[in-house]
Parts: sequence; structure tokens; C-alpha cells
Amino acid sequence: DTAVSQTPKYLVTQMGNDKSIKCEQNLGHDTMYWYKQDSKKFLKIMFSYNNKELIINETVPNRFSPKSPDKAHLNLHINSLELGDSAVYFCASSQAARQPYNEQFFGPGTRLTVL
Amino acid sequence: LAKTTQPISMDSYEGQEVNITCSHNNIATNDYITWYQQFPSQGPRFIIQGYKTKVTNEVASLFIPADRKSSTLSLPRVSLSDTAVYYCLVGAYSGAGSYQLTFGKGTKLSVIP
Repeated sequence: DTAVSQTPKYLVTQMGNDKSIKCEQNLGHDTMYWYKQDSKKFLKIMFSYNNKELIINETVPNRFSPKSPDKAHLNLHINSLELGDSAVYFCASSQAARQPYNEQFFGPGTRLTVL
Repeated sequence: LAKTTQPISMDSYEGQEVNITCSHNNIATNDYITWYQQFPSQGPRFIIQGYKTKVTNEVASLFIPADRKSSTLSLPRVSLSDTAVYYCLVGAYSGAGSYQLTFGKGTKLSVIP
């Protein structure tokens, strides 16, 4: 029974394309996150949503847009993909609202490769 | 925004205790300190969290001095399966209902037989 799932696992695409990564959690958590992990394994938070409300929005390009249709889903849409967007993207969720330092449960990651 | 610093890598023999320290000099009053473990091709996994003093669970201990400017993750009697990257995470409240989270750059622990 997967707690946090992401699709697709791998995504290979050309520069300039638009793509989406989907995330779903079945833990009943209120807060969900998107992280980017680059080739040097640095983990940086991109967005966080609490009950469909954005509570963290780090300085990421506006080509990245999170969309949360309900509190169990947080999708990441990326417009006009660039080479530098190549990375592994992780979705995560945590229980307590407005306490993102609580235990986070991570998905398996989506490896995005932009050619 | 709390900035964290960790050693890049550490080696240890099986059966030894391993201590990994994270520095966070500008930690804020509301910040908690959390450690995560990551295996290759997997998402990070929660290990332990604390605010001050000492916290212990079934897999690790977390030591936080009174000034909270650093924290030490202690793994007792490591095995080969503990080979992974360990991240220190400090949570910060930046006002107006928003939070900022800062992961350390990770410490790659290699356990040697």
C-alpha cells in the first residue's frame, strides 16, 4: 500500500516542452511538498501546500506551477522546460497543518531529463 | 533562514557508533531539527526529530546542546545497511503564515565490513 506515489517515475523530454508530474498521498495528511534534488544530491524545497493553500513558495522560476485539486494531490506543472530543470523531483506529505517540520513522508521520486 | 552545515562524508566500520554533526548557527526559536536518511534511488526517510536536549528512538539518538546551534545524530552499532546519505533539516517560520525549510547538503556515510 503506497503512502506517497508519483507518476511518472522517469520523464525524458525535449527543451521547450511542457510536462506535469503527479503526486498522490493516501495518508490523510494536510500538507504536501515538492522538492528538487540536483545531480549533487542537494535537496531544495520548491513548494508546500496546506489544505490546498500555498504556505511555502521558494524562489523558483514561474515556469513551475503547483496545482492541488484536493488535499490528497499536489501536481507539478513545468512550462518551457530547460536543460537546468533536469533533476529528481520528490513529492512529500506531512500530517500537521502549518508545521512543516513534522515528519515528512517522501515519494519515490521522478527523474526528469531534459534533452 | 537557518543555514546548515554537515560533513560531506564519513566512513565507519560495522558495529561502531557513528556521530554526524550538523551546524545551524542562526536557528530560530520555533525551529525543530529533523534528520532524514536517503538510500540511492529512493526518497528520504524520517529518522528522528528534536527541539532541545536529547531524543532517542529505536534507531537513533539526537543530541542538541542548550544553545541549539548544532545537533548530533548518533547511530549505534552501524551495519552495512546503514550506508546512505543523512540529511539535517531545520524548519523556520518566516512570518505571514509561511515556513522555510533548509536541508543540509547531506553526509554520505559508508559502512565498511
